[in-house]
Amino acid sequence: TQLLEQSPQFLSIQEGENLTVYCNSSSVFSSLQWYRQEPGEGPVLLVTVVTGGEVKKLKRLTFQFGDARKDSSLHITAAQPGDTGLYLCAGAATGGATNKLIFGTGTLLAVQP
Amino acid sequence: DAGITQSPRHKVTETGTPVTLRCHQTENHRYMYWYRQDPGHGLRLIHYSYGVKDTDKGEVSDGYSVSRSKTEDFLLTLESATSSQTSVYFCAIRRGDGYTFGSGTRLTVV
Repeated sequence: TQLLEQSPQFLSIQEGENLTVYCNSSSVFSSLQWYRQEPGEGPVLLVTVVTGGEVKKLKRLTFQFGDARKDSSLHITAAQPGDTGLYLCAGAATGGATNKLIFGTGTLLAVQP
Repeated sequence: DAGITQSPRHKVTETGTPVTLRCHQTENHRYMYWYRQDPGHGLRLIHYSYGVKDTDKGEVSDGYSVSRSKTEDFLLTLESATSSQTSVYFCAIRRGDGYTFGSGTRLTVV
């Protein structure tokens, strides 16, 4: 069974601080996705990384896929209250045609003004 | 905006009763998924579909069944609801590299 562990589980920071969220597994994934979820809503896709070592930037968010495609990180620069939410990583299982996603347990981020 | 809707948004039901949740998409995507989200467990796959009448089990399929008689609709049925099935249920469609989720159904079994 493929598992994804996220750390930290909870993070409360002040506006303007930087932070990094980690997503780790002992399994290899064909791709890794990051989602953000707000209360009462479904997760919303932020980014997909597919190549080992890949780095993608989305404004103040930087996503990295590990060289071995087993781990990923999300770095937020100068966090803002609007960044508050539950961040989920999800790995696409290798092989097969269904592209089932395995989700991490999430990191709950609170950015205080 | 994403072309995927779930109904109902909230439901309270009694133990032992059957319950059906509906997921409707307007964009003709082939793959559809049902997940449940519980504290400490994240999102776990219940069942998924890769076409009309083509479905398969996920990691937590016991107590659930699904049907897909039309491309646009994917139904999740709890044949006899139990308290352990109290959860938030999300439907998703696969679009390109990622998934688009519905807004969820909060189900409480009392």
